[in-house]
Amino acid sequence: AQKITQTQPGMFVQEKEAVTLDCTYDTSDPSYGLFWYKQPSSGEMIFLIYQGSYDQQNATEGRYSLNFQKARKSANLVISASQLGDSAMYFCAMSNMKTSYDKVIFGPGTSLSVIP
Amino acid sequence: EPEVTQTPSHQVTQMGQEVILRCVPISNHLYFYWYRQILGQKVEFLVSFYNNEISEKSEIFDDQFSVERPDGSNFTLKIRSTKLEDSAMYFCASILDRSYGYTFGSGTRLTVV
Repeated sequence: AQKITQTQPGMFVQEKEAVTLDCTYDTSDPSYGLFWYKQPSSGEMIFLIYQGSYDQQNATEGRYSLNFQKARKSANLVISASQLGDSAMYFCAMSNMKTSYDKVIFGPGTSLSVIP
Repeated sequence: EPEVTQTPSHQVTQMGQEVILRCVPISNHLYFYWYRQILGQKVEFLVSFYNNEISEKSEIFDDQFSVERPDGSNFTLKIRSTKLEDSAMYFCASILDRSYGYTFGSGTRLTVV
């Protein structure tokens, strides 16, 4: 069975500093995808970044990078140069690749607050 | 940028009433999903839908729930007889390729009173 763990219920970061949000996962499938989503207070789910289990390089998207350590089954999100607008809930998520339409499952989330 | 559209944004209904939540996925996406998020809690998978049939459903998705793609563009979630515990944010999602992420709608906040 798949499982996502996010051990930090809440995090604070100073504006312009970098922050790492932790995520570990468990799956017995060799092929899977890892995702991070941002949920601001307005409620929508915003896709940030994707990492495939066979990707050799860590994914990056602008100020977001994914620190993928396959042997440790961790997929931490790094946000560089934090901005006030980064304050939100962040969800780590995973999808197996047995079929094209496998669902994505979510971790419990980390609430990030950026302090001016 | 293409988006998944959900209507209504907020619905209040009486316990025992039927509700239909509507979604318009991105037009070239092939796989569709419903999720729910009880306030402040985890995002939970309900059902996935592909090729006009359910491909997977969770334990939450019991006989009170049904999904339909009636006209090739809309994707609906029906709850036949709502309970207080159905109060949640319901998200529709669609996907073409995982590397672009699952695209979520802005959600329908369902309140059962």
